[in-house]
Amino acid sequence: EVQLVQSGAEVKKPGESLKISCEGYGYIFTTYWIAWVRQMPGKGLEWVGIIHPGDSDTRFSPSFQGQVTISVDKSISTAYLEWSSLKASDTAMYYCARLHPEGWFDPWGQGTLVTVSS
Amino acid sequence: QSALTQPASVSGSPGQSITISCTGTNSDVGSYNFVSWYQHHPGKAPKVMIYEVSKRPSGVSDRFSGSKFGHTASLTISGLQAEDEADYYCCTYAGTNSYIFGTGTKVTVL
Repeated sequence: EVQLVQSGAEVKKPGESLKISCEGYGYIFTTYWIAWVRQMPGKGLEWVGIIHPGDSDTRFSPSFQGQVTISVDKSISTAYLEWSSLKASDTAMYYCARLHPEGWFDPWGQGTLVTVSS
Repeated sequence: QSALTQPASVSGSPGQSITISCTGTNSDVGSYNFVSWYQHHPGKAPKVMIYEVSKRPSGVSDRFSGSKFGHTASLTISGLQAEDEADYYCCTYAGTNSYIFGTGTKVTVL
C-alpha cells in the first residue's frame, strides 16, 4: 500500500527552528514529486511547494518563497519542511502529498500540527 | 496567484444533486485540464475525488463527477448521502510547476 507517514505534532516558541518530515512507503520514492500543503486554523488548503526526490528540484508558491525550506533525503525516502525562525502565524496543520504527473495529489500524509506560541 | 473562488457553502437533502463551482482565470483553470477535487473531513487527510477535470480514481463513487467550461470547473455530487458532508476543495495546475487551491466549500446534508 502506498502511503506517506508524517512526523508528530510540534509545539514551539516564536523564533525557534523546526523540521517536520514525510516518509514514503510502498512505491519508488524518487519517481514522484512530493508536495507540502498548509491549512491554517479554520482556513482552506494552500499549496506551499514541491520537491522532486530524484534531484531535489524545488518549486515554491510565491507566498512561501523564502519563508520555508523544502528538502529531501532520498536514501530514507523522506521529505522535509523546515523553518529557521518560527512565527505565531506559522501555526497550522501541514500535509504532504504525492504529486501525480497529471497534477493531482494522492495519497496524503496524516498531517503534522505545528503550534507556535509563547 | 489568488485562490480559486468557490462558494463558501452548499447544502442539499439526501438523494438530491448539488454542484460546486470553482472559478479561476484564463491563466490557470482556463489553460490546463489539470483540475482536481478533494474531499476533506475534519481531522482526516484530504482525499482525491476527481482528477484531470472529470476522471475518477479507483474506488471513488460514480456519484461524483467533474466538468469544466472556460475558466470555471464544477464538481457534482448526485444522490447526496450523509457521508458526503465535508469540505471540498478544487485545485488546478497553474503553469511552471505551480498549483492553486480553491477557497473551499462546506457541503451540508440537510
